[in-house]
This record gives sequence, structure tokens and C-alpha cells, in this order.
Amino acid sequence: DVKVTQSSRYLVKRTGEKVFLECVQDMDHENMFWYRQDPGLGLRLIYFSYDVKMKEKGDIPEGYSVSREKKERFSLILESASTNQTSMYLCASSPQRTSYNSPLHFGNGTRLTVT
Amino acid sequence: QQQVKQSPQSLIVQKGGISIINCAYENTAFDYFPWYQQFPGKGPALLIAIRPDVSEKKEGRFTISFNKSAKQFSLHIMDSQPGDSATYFCAASARGSTLGRLYFGRGTQLTVWP
Repeated sequence: DVKVTQSSRYLVKRTGEKVFLECVQDMDHENMFWYRQDPGLGLRLIYFSYDVKMKEKGDIPEGYSVSREKKERFSLILESASTNQTSMYLCASSPQRTSYNSPLHFGNGTRLTVT
Repeated sequence: QQQVKQSPQSLIVQKGGISIINCAYENTAFDYFPWYQQFPGKGPALLIAIRPDVSEKKEGRFTISFNKSAKQFSLHIMDSQPGDSATYFCAASARGSTLGRLYFGRGTQLTVWP
């Protein structure tokens, strides 16, 4: 079974702090994604990556950056956390770079609170 | 703009009833339509999916109905059970898109009363 592990379940940070959210997948998937989930707004794509050191902006990349130094690990970075970044963050992975119907496998999320 | 529009935002159904969630899209390049189910404290997981060359797909109590001309698709949950209480997301992806990236609806929170 595919496992996508997010390092923290809950995180509380102060405004202005640099925040790292870590995600690891164990199935050698090429594609990895970071989503943000807010009530009434659904799942919004922040960034994605289709290969090591490759990244693409999603729909809401402002205020975020990502790092993918190893295939299994995809990090989301909040350079200077703000209260409007309080949210649930979901990491996902999928196999096969060119296949567009391979299902996404999600982690269980990190609930980030910025005070 | 919202690529996939989902309704209703919340739904309350009695045990044994039928739950219906609707989605609509505009992009005619979409050719893959999955539904994801999310339980509290968990990430979403693929529930069922359909391609536009069929009008219906059934897996157990879950059925996707697809209307290509109207650009609409819906999820029907027959004999709804309390264990079906979850958030449901419809999604779509386009042929030839980068990675086959999914565009999600905003979600429907389903509550099934015993």
C-alpha cells in the first residue's frame, strides 16, 4: 500500500517565522503535490513537482516555495508565515510522469496555525 | 476561476436514503472524472472514476452518472449509511495536461443520520 507521510499532524507557528512542512512517499512516485484545504474552498494546488529538483507553480503559490532534493521527499516552505496561511496542508503523490489517470495518494495532512 | 463546480456544499440524508452530489465543468478537454472521499482526520482517497465514453459507472452502492452534452457528472450513493459520512470531492483532468493535474470541486460534506 502506498504511504504518504507528513511529518507533523499539528503545527503552531508565529507570524514571520519560516516554516517547513515535510512529506515523504515510499512508492517511488515521480509526481508530488502540495494542496491547501480550507472550508468551502476545497483543495487548492500550491506547487507540484514531476522530478527531482523540478517544480511548477499551482494556483496559489504566493508566499510559498518548495524543495525536492530527493525523489521521495517534497518540502513546502513558508518563507515568512502569516495568519492567512493558517490552514490544512495536504501532500500527495502519483506514479508515472506521463500518465494522466494515475490516482493521487494523499497524506493525512498537517494542520498549521499561525498566530 | 473554478474549473469544476460542485453542489451542494453540505448534504444531510437519512440512513437508507439516496445521496446525490452534482458537478459541472466547462473545459471540453477534460476526459477523466474521479471522485475522492475524505474522512475526518484523513487525506482524500480515490473512491470511483469515470471516462466520458461511458454514461454510468457503478461500484457497489456508488454510481457515477455522466452527461457529456451537459458537461455534468454526479455521484449517487444508494442505501446511504452512517459510515458514508465524509467529505466528497469531484475532480477532472484534461488529456495532454502537465502530469494530468486534477482540478477539484469545493467539496460536499455528507452527513448520514442513523
